Amino acid sequence: QKEVEQNSGPLSVPEGAIASLNCTYSDRVSQSFFWYRQYSGKSPELIMSIYSNGDKEDGRFTAQLNKASQYVSLLIRDSQPSDSATYLCAVRVDSNYQLIWGAGTKLIIKP
Amino acid sequence: DADVTQTPRNRITKTGKRIMLECSQTKGHDRMYWYRQDPGLGLRLIYYSFDVKDINKGEISDGYSVSRQAQAKFSLSLESAIPNQTALYFCATSDSQLGVPTQYFGPGTRLTVL
Repeated sequence: QKEVEQNSGPLSVPEGAIASLNCTYSDRVSQSFFWYRQYSGKSPELIMSIYSNGDKEDGRFTAQLNKASQYVSLLIRDSQPSDSATYLCAVRVDSNYQLIWGAGTKLIIKP
Repeated sequence: DADVTQTPRNRITKTGKRIMLECSQTKGHDRMYWYRQDPGLGLRLIYYSFDVKDINKGEISDGYSVSRQAQAKFSLSLESAIPNQTALYFCATSDSQLGVPTQYFGPGTRLTVL
């Protein structure tokens, strides 16, 4: 059974601090990794994708991938109250481009 | 206008009723998906379709059926709704020509089965 694991939280972070969200996956051949943000009652929206080991930065967001450790993380710098949401990790695990989803981590940014 | 639309947005029905949820997209994507989301369980794939003639079961297809009427339309049916099908349902699309499996979601349908 291919799995994607996330800490459900909630993770509480002060405004302006760095929020660190983590995701582990079980399938060593996974090739593509995605972070989605989902506000309560809304649909998931893509924040970042990462395909190679290392860091990928986009504005206040940095995705980090370590395939050897089967670990992908999302860092949010200068956290804002508007970042309060559930963050979903998704992993592509096969050639059919299907995604396996984690259950999400609820992030709360406290003013 | 939204690229991926779902109708209805909210639906309350009774056990045993047949329900259809509809999804339309203007993104021109070939692949479409139906997910359900329950609190604490994340997104679970019900059915997916790679084109009009290619429909596949996901991990939780029992009790559901789908129809891909056109490249832009993908409908989900509950033949005889039961209370444990109460959930938030999302349609999503992706484009195989892009070479990456990024999925784009509709706004969701909140279904309550009494």
